Amino acid sequence: EAQVTQNPRYLITVTGKKLTVTCSQNMNHEYMSWYRQDPGLGLRQIYYSMNVEVTDKGDVPEGYKVSRKEKRNFPLILESPSPNQTSLYFCASSSSDRRTSGRSYEQYFGPGTRLTVT
Amino acid sequence: AQSVTQLDSHVSVSEGTPVLLRCNYSSSYSPSLFWYVQHPNKGLQLLLKYTSAATLVKGINGFEAEFKKSETSFHLTKPSAHMSDAAEYFCVVTLFRSGSARQLTFGSGTQLTVLP
Repeated sequence: EAQVTQNPRYLITVTGKKLTVTCSQNMNHEYMSWYRQDPGLGLRQIYYSMNVEVTDKGDVPEGYKVSRKEKRNFPLILESPSPNQTSLYFCASSSSDRRTSGRSYEQYFGPGTRLTVT
Repeated sequence: AQSVTQLDSHVSVSEGTPVLLRCNYSSSYSPSLFWYVQHPNKGLQLLLKYTSAATLVKGINGFEAEFKKSETSFHLTKPSAHMSDAAEYFCVVTLFRSGSARQLTFGSGTQLTVLP
C-alpha cells in the first residue's frame, strides 16, 4: 500500500530536549516536505526536499532541521524544542516526474504527529 | 507572491442541502489548485485538483470545483451534504518554479458542520 508514515504519532516533551520525528514514504517520490498546522493558520511549510541531499527552507524554518540522506526518509529534527513549537506536524511527499503525476504534483500526507512541548 | 483566502472559517448546512466553500487565490503565474479534506484526527486527503485542463473539476464523494480565472476563484461545491462530509477543508495553490521546485500555499481552512 502506498503511504507516508510518521513516528511517533504523539509526543510530549520538555523544553530543550532534542527530538526527531521520522517520516518515510514507499512511493519512490523525489519531493518531500514538512508542515506544521496551527488553529486558524492552516498548514505552513517548514522545510522541503527536492531529492536526496537537496533541502531548502519553507515559510517557518526557525528552530527546525532536516536531512535527506535516503530518498524514502525525511526526518524532522528539533535541536532545542520550545513551547511555541507545540503543534500538529505533517510530512508529505509527491512525485516530481511529470510523466507520472501529470502537472499536478499531488501531495500525499502522513497521518500527523501531535507534539507538545512543556 | 501568491496567497489563498478561504472566505469562511466556518460553514454550517443541513443534511441534504447544497454545500459551498469559497476560495480565492492570487498568483502571478498559472497555478495548480487543490482542495484537501481533513477529518478529525486524520491526515489530509485530496478531494480534487485543477491543473489547467477542464475548468470544472470533479472530485471524490460528489464534490466539484470550478476554476474561474476572471474571478481568481476556485469554490468547492456539493449538491447535497451528507453527515460524513463534516470536516475541515483546505484550498491550496501551487506555484511552479524552475525545474521541479514548487511553493505550496494553504488557505486557513473552512470547518464544515452538517446538521441532521
